[in-house]
Formats: sequence, structure tokens, C-alpha cells
Amino acid sequence: GAVVSQHPSWVICKSGTSVKIECRSLDFQATTMFWYRQFPKQSLMLMATSNEGSKATYEQGVEKDKFLINHASLTLSTLTVTSAHPEDSSFYICSSSGIGLGSNEQFFGPGTRLTVL
Amino acid sequence: SQQGEEDPQALSIQEGENATMNCSYKTSINNLQWYRQNSGRGLVHLILIRSNEREKHSGRLRVTLDTSKKSSSLLITASRAADTASYFCATEPTGGGNKLTFGTGTQLKVEL
Repeated sequence: GAVVSQHPSWVICKSGTSVKIECRSLDFQATTMFWYRQFPKQSLMLMATSNEGSKATYEQGVEKDKFLINHASLTLSTLTVTSAHPEDSSFYICSSSGIGLGSNEQFFGPGTRLTVL
Repeated sequence: SQQGEEDPQALSIQEGENATMNCSYKTSINNLQWYRQNSGRGLVHLILIRSNEREKHSGRLRVTLDTSKKSSSLLITASRAADTASYFCATEPTGGGNKLTFGTGTQLKVEL
């Protein structure tokens, strides 16, 4: 099956700093990538949809200036949490759907655990 | 919120028993998918059922879909300790452009 990687797998940062999370499709071209956030013992909440070469579409209540998304190529999307605060601590997961996969299935990355001190 | 709901929130069974999880959703859908998540890990796709399908099987998994009631169930037969995980349903709404809305999840614990 299609493989999606995320980097880093975990990160600890100080309040006020920015953190960049990468999401890569390793063996297919990801025309669309989705970014989710998951708080402990809760479900995944979609933050934004990212299409290659165009601006991301953010879900209601998600600040686009705080969560910057760049989908510059068909294999890479990045999420930058700017001026991170402790309440941004969460598990961030990306998923991809793409060219030639032949189904509506999304392939999920392993997630990035962000802890803001 | 358009988030679906799952019940039970938590389920504890003995190895060898069957586990049934239910999912309810709110909008019309193209398909419904079930995912598994081990603690602190990413999601693994289990099965997808389309809106015109009523039942689907994959190994020890059986999924049903009732679009009139906007509900689905996931049955895991002959459970194993390795099935211990959280299970989420996710719906792709009609006209939603591949976006998924996840249910609240069921934490399954299979004890030896």
C-alpha cells in the first residue's frame, strides 16, 4: 500500500517558538493532503485540506496564520505551528490521497507528537 | 458539530470473544471507513464500505451499513490480544471532496 511518512515523530519546544512538521508521500503523488489534530483520548479533528500548488482550505475555527500549510510538491506538505503555546500540544497527523491510487482511501502518516513547554 | 458518534466508548472482552462497535453519523455519505489506532500511533485503514453496499467482510472483520438509519457496525470475530486498540469510523460526505469526518472512537481492550 501507499506509504506516508512524517517528520519529526515527536518534538518538544519552548513557548513562542515555531515548529515545522513534514508530511511526505513516499511512493505515490499526493494531490491532496489533510492535516488533523488529535488531543489525548479524543478523535481526529480535521484542521485543513492542502492541494498541491494552491492555498490550503482551513476548517472553521482553525487559525490559518497560526497553522501555516505549504504543499509545494506532489510529495511534500508542511505544517508550521507558529508561536506555539502549551495549548497547541497535541498529536498532529497527516493523510494523503493521490494520483493512481484508485480508491477513496486515505493513507495516514504515523503522526507527530508536539509538546510545548 | 458534524462529528459522528461511536458506542461503546470503551469495550473490554476476553480473547476469543467477538467485539461489536457501532457508529452513527449525521450527513449523507459516499462511503464509510473504519480505522484502527494503536496508542500514540498513526491510523491503519481497515475497511471501506460504499453507500450502496450493506455489508462487507475482510478476514475477521465484518462491517454493516444502514444508510436509512445513518449507522454502521464493525464486528471483530474471535478477538485476539493484538486487537487491543482504538477503532474509529470515518465518513466521507457526499460532495465533500474526500474529506473525512471521524467518529469519537471505541477503545477496545482484549484480555488474555
